[in-house]
Amino acid sequence: GENVEQHPSTLSVQEGDSAVIKCTYSDSASNYFPWYKQELGKRPQLIIDIRSNVGEKKDQRIAVTLNKTAKHFSLHITETQPEDSAVYFCAATSGAAGKSTFGDGTTLTVKP
Amino acid sequence: NAGVTQTPKFQVLKTGQSMTLQCAQDMNHNSMYWYRQDPGMGLRLIYYSASEGTTDKGEVPNGYNVSRLNKREFSLRLESAAPSQTSVYFCASSELRVGFGTQYFGPGTRLTVL
Repeated sequence: GENVEQHPSTLSVQEGDSAVIKCTYSDSASNYFPWYKQELGKRPQLIIDIRSNVGEKKDQRIAVTLNKTAKHFSLHITETQPEDSAVYFCAATSGAAGKSTFGDGTTLTVKP
Repeated sequence: NAGVTQTPKFQVLKTGQSMTLQCAQDMNHNSMYWYRQDPGMGLRLIYYSASEGTTDKGEVPNGYNVSRLNKREFSLRLESAAPSQTSVYFCASSELRVGFGTQYFGPGTRLTVL
């Protein structure tokens, strides 16, 4: 089955700095890679995603890159703000049922 | 639209008791999923359903059963609860034709087994 590794497990940055979270996956059949943000006590919510036929996608301060050959993808947050503090999960998705395997999460802390 | 709803929000069980977690979605999605999330860990797939009438095992199915009652509802049953099943349970749904598999999560059920 699919295996997703996510690094780092914790990340602390100063407000205004950039944050980068990296994930690797094992199954070449995975074709969709979403990123979710989960605030304390809340449900995970999609923040950005990328399909396997795209190398990079950007949405305001958030961007995701995908390297299919190396089987890794990354989340980039620029100009971080305290409200970006949360746990971020990557996932690799495949199959007709959209079955996803999640990484273990990265706890991002943005210090004011 | 309410999106994905789950009941109950909280539950405390004794070892050996049974219970059913309910999940419903009003987005007309075909696929539905049950995950568990343990402290400091990611989401692990328990069971999923690609469409009404079909269910498949995920990564951690032991000790659970599911029923896809209709297109809207997908329930998770613990027949004989164990302390190892203490966790937060999330239901999710997805319409693969839109968003290429984006999953929408319910608010979660926090289960404690004593």
